[in-house]
Amino acid sequence: GAVVSQHPSWVICKSGTSVKIECRSLDFQATTMFWYRQFPKQSLMLMATSNEGSKATYEQGVEKDKFLINHASLTLSTLTVTSAHPEDSSFYICSARSGGGGETQYFGPGTRLLVL
Amino acid sequence: TQLLEQSPQFLSIQEGENLTVYCNSSSVFSSLQWYRQEPGEGPVLLVTVVTGGEVKKLKRLTFQFGDARKDSPLHITAAQPGDTGLYLCAGVELTGGGNKLTFGTGTQLKVEL
Repeated sequence: GAVVSQHPSWVICKSGTSVKIECRSLDFQATTMFWYRQFPKQSLMLMATSNEGSKATYEQGVEKDKFLINHASLTLSTLTVTSAHPEDSSFYICSARSGGGGETQYFGPGTRLLVL
Repeated sequence: TQLLEQSPQFLSIQEGENLTVYCNSSSVFSSLQWYRQEPGEGPVLLVTVVTGGEVKKLKRLTFQFGDARKDSPLHITAAQPGDTGLYLCAGVELTGGGNKLTFGTGTQLKVEL
């Protein structure tokens, strides 16, 4: 089956620093990637949708200047949390969907972010 | 905003018991998916139901889609410790950019020996 990886799997950073998370589709080309955030014991909340080569579409309430998304190739999307604060600590999960009518989203293993 | 409410929120049972988890939507989605997520991992797709009244089985798991396509019970027979995890339903919505998922509130299941 389709495999999606994320790197790093966990990261600890100081408040005020920026953190970049990578999402890669390993065996298929992902025309669309999604970024979700999940707080402890809660569900996944969609943050943004990114299509290769175009600007990401952010969900209501998600700051696009704080959560920078780049989808420069068909196998890689990055999420950069800028000037991270403790309230940004969360589990960030990406998913990828291939083009050509494939509508299944394949989820990555997630990245745990802890901001001190 | 479309909402998907799951109940119960938490469930702790003994091995061998049966259980039902409910997913109820405030509106109709084009289809509905069920996922299981284990701690520190991404969700894994279990099933997609599309047609009202549809029933799908995956070993000891039985998934239904209500006739009105707004509710979906998940029934687990003879639960095993390996069934422990966070069960998430997700409504699939057709948009201009393709399918978009809206996740339910989740049900945390713990199956003890």
